[in-house]
Formats: sequence, structure tokens, C-alpha cells
Amino acid sequence: GNSVTQMEGPVTLSEEAFLTINCTYTATGYPSLFWYVQYPGEGLQLLLKATKADDKGSNKGFEATYRKETTSFHLEKGSVQVSDSAVYFCALTLKAAGNKLTFGGGTRVLVKP
Amino acid sequence: NAGVMQNPRHLVRRRGQEARLRCSPMKGHSHVYWYRQLPEEGLKFMVYLQKENIIDESGMPKERFSAEFPKEGPSILRIQQVVRGDSAAYFCASSPSQSSSGNTIYFGEGSWLTVV
Repeated sequence: GNSVTQMEGPVTLSEEAFLTINCTYTATGYPSLFWYVQYPGEGLQLLLKATKADDKGSNKGFEATYRKETTSFHLEKGSVQVSDSAVYFCALTLKAAGNKLTFGGGTRVLVKP
Repeated sequence: NAGVMQNPRHLVRRRGQEARLRCSPMKGHSHVYWYRQLPEEGLKFMVYLQKENIIDESGMPKERFSAEFPKEGPSILRIQQVVRGDSAAYFCASSPSQSSSGNTIYFGEGSWLTVV
């Protein structure tokens, strides 16, 4: 089956620190990979995506590279802000699965001033 | 901004009552997905629908839960005889088709159900 594993939180950082959230996946096929962000009390927002190996998704200073050889899609940001405090979800989808998303368990990130 | 619209945003029900959650997909989208997020957990797939058809309901509880996406109107997730364990955030998402693995699925802002 398909699954997504991401590092457990909470991750607590100081402002301007470097953020990495690890995400690895298993999939019976060639998935598309996503990072979603959920701010407190809100729904999910797509942060970035990558659809093929070596693609790099980027948005709002966040980046993630689709690594087929390591089945990973780690999220990084070079200098976090307090406003980046949120829960981050890694996810995959396969055409064969009707595009339904398989999510990781989420990583809560808290950025302190 | 014709995004995925869900209502109500917050719903409180007493045990044994029915909950109906509505989802209007983005304009031009004919595929709807429902996900549930239990407190402090990730999202779990529940059901995938196209107009008038349930395509995949492998994540739906066997009893009390049903979903529909009629030819006209929003998709509805219905929970009968709610119990406290149904308290969760229910997210709807839509996509234009399933024909491309690069499709992006767009989420609504969620409906938070509280059973008291």
C-alpha cells in the first residue's frame, strides 16, 4: 500500500533558524508529492508540489525536492518567521488511486520570536 | 474567488442527532473527496465521488456515514446518530479530473463538528 512518514513534532525553532521536516514515502507506482500547511484554526493550503523525480517545488521560501532514489520529499526553509508556525503535512497521490491523497501524520512547527 | 466552499464551518450536535456537511467544489471540478481529521491526527481519506457516483468509499465507516454528490447541488456528507467520537474536522477537496498525476487537489476550509 501507499504510506507517508514524516518526522514527529513539535518542532520548536527561533526566528531566522533553518527548518527541515523530513518526509519519506512508499508507493505502488509513480506518485505526485505535496506539502500542505494548516495554520491554527484553518483548513489546508497547498504549499508546494512536485510531480516527477528531481522536480523542486518552491513557495514562500519553502523548498522540497522529489528524490526518487531515496523516496523522500523533505521540506526546507532557510529562515523561518513566527508566521510560519503551523502544522505541515506531506502527502502523495497516485493516478491509480483516483488522485486521493495519502497524508503523513503532520508536523507541528512552532517558531518563537 | 470560487474556491471549494464548505458549510457550515462549525457545527455542534448532541449525541444521536444527524450532521450534514456540505461541499461545493471549485468551478469546473467534477471530482470531490472527503477527509476527516481527528484531533491531533493527520487527515484520513473517507470517500471519493463524481457526479451521481461514489467511486471509492474505502475510508468510510461502515455504519451511520453516507455521502452523495448529486447532479445538481453540493456534495453532502451525512452522519446519522452522531457519537462523541465523530467530533473532528471534515475537509472536502475537489479536482478537475483524475486524468493527470499532476492534478492539484484543492481543499475547502473544513467543517468542524463537535458532538456534545
